[in-house]
Amino acid sequence: DTGVSQNPRHKITKRGQNVTFRCDPISEHNRLYWYRQTLGQGPEFLTYFQNEAQLEKSRLLSDRFSAERPKGSFSTLEIQRTEQGDSAMYLCASTTHGGYQETQYFGPGTRLLVL
Amino acid sequence: AQKITQTQPGMFVQEKEAVTLDCTYDTSDQSYGLFWYKQPSSGEMIFLIYQGSYDEQNATEGRYSLNFQKARKSANLVISASQLGDSAMYFCAMRGPYRAGTASKLTFGTGTRLQVTL
Repeated sequence: DTGVSQNPRHKITKRGQNVTFRCDPISEHNRLYWYRQTLGQGPEFLTYFQNEAQLEKSRLLSDRFSAERPKGSFSTLEIQRTEQGDSAMYLCASTTHGGYQETQYFGPGTRLLVL
Repeated sequence: AQKITQTQPGMFVQEKEAVTLDCTYDTSDQSYGLFWYKQPSSGEMIFLIYQGSYDEQNATEGRYSLNFQKARKSANLVISASQLGDSAMYFCAMRGPYRAGTASKLTFGTGTRLQVTL
């Protein structure tokens, strides 16, 4: 399978715990995005990497959230001191160096439930 | 700011029939891209079709076509010959002008749940 992969697919945690999600993009894709999708809504942009550089972050990404892409390949998204409001689907997407027709390809997502 | 509106929370269509899912958008940009994604219950967002704002022809991909009416700011998805496997959430999304070094982030609508019946 050469698509975007995400792990874990599901995560249940207690409020106050830290969680980390991983995204492995399509191998030749240098641009990587994280989105968050809450129930009944479309995905919302969180952050963007071009190679290893994090070039843009949404206001949704509070200081409890941190994302890395250390070698320009896989990326991790960590949430510290989780809150019930963090319960959502976290989606990763990747694409090649874009242009007018840049298309983002999404992974299967990680469903987070904070109890 | 960009905004996508999908006014149909749910739609039903009979197998083998065609269905149109509505999408209107709002932007002040002249250059933009419009996308449709399918999200089955498994959660993955599956890319279906793309339309650029400067494209004169409506995009088509197999059974999917995009009815692009620029003056009305609408980008409706038409699925022909519906199949049971088409049952899913469908999201319309927009991307602003491409600028090197910046995020080409997508703005999504709230989606339409399509149910294909026998």
